[in-house]
Amino acid sequence: EAGVAQSPRYKIIEKRQSVAFWCNPISGHATLYWYQQILGQGPKLLIQFQNNGVVDDSQLPKDRFSAERLKGVDSTLKIQPAKLEDSAVYLCASSSKGLAGSSYEQYFGPGTRLTVT
Amino acid sequence: KQEVTQIPAALSVPEGENLVLNCSFTDSAIYNLQWFRQDPGKGLTSLLLIQSSQREQTSGRLNASLDKSSGRSTLYIAASQPGDSATYLCAVTGNYGQNFVFGPGTRLSVLP
Repeated sequence: EAGVAQSPRYKIIEKRQSVAFWCNPISGHATLYWYQQILGQGPKLLIQFQNNGVVDDSQLPKDRFSAERLKGVDSTLKIQPAKLEDSAVYLCASSSKGLAGSSYEQYFGPGTRLTVT
Repeated sequence: KQEVTQIPAALSVPEGENLVLNCSFTDSAIYNLQWFRQDPGKGLTSLLLIQSSQREQTSGRLNASLDKSSGRSTLYIAASQPGDSATYLCAVTGNYGQNFVFGPGTRLSVLP
């Protein structure tokens, strides 16, 4: 079973530029998550999708961040314009329901390390 | 609002020791609790998941317990090895599989 795929792995941009990250979840996983992890901290959930619908985006800075999952499979997270404080690792994860109900066990991709200069 | 803390923030032990990592959460209305391992520059690897109705889970040298009423979980690592060196994070999921909140992690170093 292939894992969660993310690209690019690294990105360096200047402040006020735009950037986009791509994630392809594990095949068959209906739930997809985007996290931001700042150095030395635990990941912070930005947005959670169930199929192509948004379940939770309460911590997504909507003035500059956007995400979509149009066909309920892969997803794109965009930052426009970027700020210095957006420097972080952006992690994508996916989960599915267990046989006896929902387990929501999450599987993570390798992440994209973003540096904003 | 759910808050998750982990103690200690960092831990250094000699190889072979048994050790315990602690995780606390403020809202006991959780769906499950998951322990992860993160190696430097890498993503997160799931170690153990405990459903809210369960009290513990075991995988190899790892044992995780959950006391939902007191808002605590512990990860026990038996006979630690240098390869166990990593950051260990716990995370709780709220009801309906939402409100996923991570702790800050415990950075573990196992010395040969």
